[in-house]
Amino acid sequence: SQKIEQNSEALNIQEGKTATLTCNYTNYSPAYLQWYRQDPGRGPVFLLLIRENEKEKRKERLKVTFDTTLKQSLFHITASQPADSATYLCAPRNSGNTPLVFGKGTRLSVIA
Amino acid sequence: DADVTQTPRNRITKTGKRIMLECSQTKGHDRMYWYRQDPGLGLRLIYYSFDVKDINKGEISDGYSVSRQAQAKFSLSLESAIPNQTALYFCATSGKDRASNTGELFFGEGSRLTVL
Repeated sequence: SQKIEQNSEALNIQEGKTATLTCNYTNYSPAYLQWYRQDPGRGPVFLLLIRENEKEKRKERLKVTFDTTLKQSLFHITASQPADSATYLCAPRNSGNTPLVFGKGTRLSVIA
Repeated sequence: DADVTQTPRNRITKTGKRIMLECSQTKGHDRMYWYRQDPGLGLRLIYYSFDVKDINKGEISDGYSVSRQAQAKFSLSLESAIPNQTALYFCATSGKDRASNTGELFFGEGSRLTVL
């Protein structure tokens, strides 16, 4: 069966450091993978999409990598700030005609 | 005004009652989804609809039904609510996937349901 694993339920880091979150998947052949941010009690918000033919994608302080051989995506936040504290969800997708299924998320806490 | 609106935002009900959660969107999207979120279990897909005449079960559809009344409206019903349906429910929408479209989901603010 298809499985999405995000490395840890919670991650604490010091302000200014780089946070690295991991998303591993099995029994998927994703055409692309999306990352979302969710604040407590709010709906998830889309951050980035990376396609299977892209190794890396950047947006401001965010960087996503995608290794289809390892079946893994890494999500980096550089120069982290307390405002980056949230839960981050990954969602690999086989094709545009399948619904999005999410990992359980990693709760990031950036400590000042 | 929010692009994806869920009502009610909070509801407390009793076991056995029928409950309807409503979702409406102004984004003009064809695709709509219902997810539930429980602590430690993440977001799980209940039902989804890719257009008005299309309804599909997700991974946890038992005990739920849906109705796609129009392109902009997608309702989730619990015919006879039970306590383990206590959760935070999210509606989401997306446009059709195209090269220029990321297929990203846009979520409502959630409906918190408590079944006593």
